[in-house]
Amino acid sequence: EDQVTQSPEALRLQEGESSSLNCSYTVSGLRGLFWYRQDPGKGPEFLFTLYSAGEEKEKERLKATLTKKESFLHITAPKPEDSATYLCAVQASPGGGTSYGKLTFGQGTILTVHP
Amino acid sequence: EAGVTQFPSHSVIEKGQTVTLRCDPISGHDNLYWYRRVMGKEIKFLLHFVKESKQDESGMPNNRFLAERTGGTYSTLKVQPAELEDSGVYFCASSLTSGRETQYFGPGTRLLVL
Repeated sequence: EDQVTQSPEALRLQEGESSSLNCSYTVSGLRGLFWYRQDPGKGPEFLFTLYSAGEEKEKERLKATLTKKESFLHITAPKPEDSATYLCAVQASPGGGTSYGKLTFGQGTILTVHP
Repeated sequence: EAGVTQFPSHSVIEKGQTVTLRCDPISGHDNLYWYRRVMGKEIKFLLHFVKESKQDESGMPNNRFLAERTGGTYSTLKVQPAELEDSGVYFCASSLTSGRETQYFGPGTRLLVL
């Protein structure tokens, strides 16, 4: 069974204090790893997709990296508006009865950035 | 371009009643997914439509849940009769294809069963 574990559960940072969020996963065959941001009362908002180990993607202050066992979301010089819950999800490769569409999510990391 | 929309945004019902949630995917997206987040837990997959066909319904909790997607456009998720443990946030997502395509999520329907 596919599993995703995110750490830490919650992270409090001062504005400008860089840090990283972790997403560890086990999946029969990785088709894609997705990062989403979720604000209170809203649905997950897509950030990145990573497909293979060694891949990196950047968007503003965020950078996502991928290894064969985990992904990191690096936040450089965060601002208060970066405060949100960050969700990691994996999509498995088809075969063996596994649905090829569904995402398996972690519990998320609640990030709070203080001014 | 309009995103995924869901209706209602909130629903409060009593145990034993029926509730129907609606999802309108992004226009042109053949793939539609339902997910649910119960209090304190991660978002979990319920089912996946490709056009009007159910591709995977392995995440549906039991036969009190019925999902339909007539005509391959909008989808409904009916819970009948509702139980206390059905409370949570129900999300709908859509994607262009089933492959590595990004799934775009709606704002969710917050269901509370009393």
